[in-house]
Amino acid sequence: AQSVTQLDSHVSVSEGTPVLLRCNYSSSYSPSLFWYVQHPNKGLQLLLKYTSAATLVKGINGFEAEFKKSETSFHLTKPSAHMSDAAEYFCVVSDLDTGNQFYFGTGTSLTVIP
Amino acid sequence: GAVVSQHPSWVICKSGTSVKIECRSLDFQATTMFWYRQFPKQSLMLMATSNEGSKATYEQGVEKDKFLINHASLTLSTLTVTSAHPEDSSFYICSARDPGRLVVIDEQFFGPGTRLTVL
Repeated sequence: AQSVTQLDSHVSVSEGTPVLLRCNYSSSYSPSLFWYVQHPNKGLQLLLKYTSAATLVKGINGFEAEFKKSETSFHLTKPSAHMSDAAEYFCVVSDLDTGNQFYFGTGTSLTVIP
Repeated sequence: GAVVSQHPSWVICKSGTSVKIECRSLDFQATTMFWYRQFPKQSLMLMATSNEGSKATYEQGVEKDKFLINHASLTLSTLTVTSAHPEDSSFYICSARDPGRLVVIDEQFFGPGTRLTVL
C-alpha cells in the first residue's frame, strides 16, 4: 500500500539557516514524488517533482529534494531560509498501482524566525 | 499554463441549504479532476475522482448523495454539497490533470480552494 510519512509536524528555523523537511514513503511500484507548498488560505503550489530521472531534483525558490530509494526517502532542503518560506509543506506519492492517485503526507508547518 | 480556478473562494450558508462549488481548467482540457477536503491544520483527503462524461468515483466513507459531482465538460467540474450541516464546514480543493502532459508525469494542478462555512 502507498503511504507517506512526514516525520515532523512542525519545523522552526532562523532566517538564513538551512531547511530540512523529512519525508518517507512506501510504494509497491516505481513512485512519482512531489513536494507542494500551501500558504494560509491558499491553494497548493508545486515546488518540485521526481520523475524517475535524476535523483536530485531542483525546484522553485531554491528548494531541492533527493530521491533515495534505499532509504525510501524524499527529503526537502533549502540552503538558506527566507521569511516568505513560512508555510505548510506536503509530500505526495503516487504510482501506477493505484492509478496515479495522490497520497498526501500529514504536512509540515515551517516557521521562519527573523 | 495549467491553471485551475475555483469559484467561489469562500461561501457561508445556512444549515440545510445546498452549495455548489465550481472547478475550471482555464488553459487546458481536463478529462480527470479530483476533489479534496482539508480540515484545519490537517492534510488533504481525496473525496472523489471526477471523469468527464461519466459518474464520479467516490472514496470510501464519502456520501455520494451528499456530495454531488458533475463533470459535464472538459473544463468544468462541480461539487454540490447538499443539505449542508456545520460538520461539512471545510476547505474544499479541486485539482486536474492535463492529458497533454501525461507523457511526462502524472502531475495534478490544484485550484486555490473554497472555504465553506455552514452556520
